[in-house]
Amino acid sequence: GAVVSQHPSRVICKSGTSVKIECRSLDFQATTMFWYRQFPKKSLMLMATSNEGSKATYEQGVEKDKFLINHASLTLSTLTVTSAHPEDSSFYICSASSGPSTDTQYFGPGTRLTVL
Amino acid sequence: QKEVEQDPGPLSVPEGAIVSLNCTYSNSAFQYFMWYRQYSRKGPELLMYTYSSGNKEDGRFTAQVDKSSKYISLFIRDSQPSDSATYLCAMPFSGGYNKLIFGAGTRLAVHP
Repeated sequence: GAVVSQHPSRVICKSGTSVKIECRSLDFQATTMFWYRQFPKKSLMLMATSNEGSKATYEQGVEKDKFLINHASLTLSTLTVTSAHPEDSSFYICSASSGPSTDTQYFGPGTRLTVL
Repeated sequence: QKEVEQDPGPLSVPEGAIVSLNCTYSNSAFQYFMWYRQYSRKGPELLMYTYSSGNKEDGRFTAQVDKSSKYISLFIRDSQPSDSATYLCAMPFSGGYNKLIFGAGTRLAVHP
């Protein structure tokens, strides 16, 4: 099956620093990637949708200047949490789809971000 | 009213039991229905994918869709401790880039 990786799997940072999370599709070309946030014992909440070579589309209530998304190639999307604060601590998960007409999304293993 | 409702559980069953997991939804435009399994501290993995009403079986898993009632179910037969995970139902928005709406997820524990 399709494999999606994320790096790092876990990161701890100080308040005010920026953190970059990478999402890679290993064995297929992902024209569309999604970024989710998941709080403990809660469901996934879509943050943004990114398409290769174009600007990401953010969901309502998600600050685009705080959560910078770059989908530079068909196998890589990055999420940068800028000036992180403790309330940004969460589990961030990406998913990838091979195209807008494909409903199946393949999820990465997630990145646990802890901001001190 | 949330678009997708799912009882978060937790649901605890003995090994070998039949498990029934359910979601209701409010948008009659939803056409595709998915079940994901998520182990602790891991990303979700796609279990079942169904379209329209009816049943779909895959090994010990059966997905059932009743569009008239806006109700979907996932049945697990002969449940195993390895089935212990959170099960999330999900439905894509129609059109666009197939954004998924997830249920809250039901935590399932199968004890030996």
